Amino acid sequence: TQLLEQSPQFLSIQEGENLTVYCNSSSVFSSLQWYRQEPGEGPVLLVTVVTGGEVKKLKRLTFQFGDARKDSSLHITAAQPGDTGLYLCALRNTGGFKTIFGAGTRLFVKA
Amino acid sequence: DTGVSQDPRHKITKRGQNVTFRCDPISEHNRLYWYRQTLGQGPEFLTYFQNEAQLEKSRLLSDRFSAERPKGSFSTLEIQRTEQGDSAMYLCASSSYRGSTYEQYFGPGTRLTVT
Repeated sequence: TQLLEQSPQFLSIQEGENLTVYCNSSSVFSSLQWYRQEPGEGPVLLVTVVTGGEVKKLKRLTFQFGDARKDSSLHITAAQPGDTGLYLCALRNTGGFKTIFGAGTRLFVKA
Repeated sequence: DTGVSQDPRHKITKRGQNVTFRCDPISEHNRLYWYRQTLGQGPEFLTYFQNEAQLEKSRLLSDRFSAERPKGSFSTLEIQRTEQGDSAMYLCASSSYRGSTYEQYFGPGTRLTVT
């Protein structure tokens, strides 16, 4: 059983559409991170959310941490082909030396 | 370019051969991590170093795997007697303490194919 469950696993949409991807767990986390990974590259950190109910915006991306700190969502407005990639949620273990990733949502935005 | 670099980017080897990968972290970062990523999955933690000391190893890191960071700078990951199940992307990351957290910066990875 994955500690972090991400859904959907795959999403293919047209340019200009909005979308939301989810990251869920049965455990409570002190913080949660979202990464984006392009083919053939390593993950790049997008945001860290810490406080329950917190909302952070990064241009057209909106990240929300659930009130109970057990789930998070990423909403993309007016998706563009450049948003194509693997979106990973992750948590850092106590001590901060290990990052535990979900399996990711693979997004494909068609022009 | 001051990012994390990895070499080689791609490696194809025959089953039973040994392979070694190199990671050069961001120069001022004292922590270095190795992860493995298989198709359709997120990266899985393998091991990490603080300076030259290897402080944690995952159960995924079998006896055939060994990692070193001899001078606290670059690191190598060696896989002996490779198996087809070792085929994966091997990612390196580095970090230093900033504010209240260690933010990890990942390299581009080494993609290993064992035939």
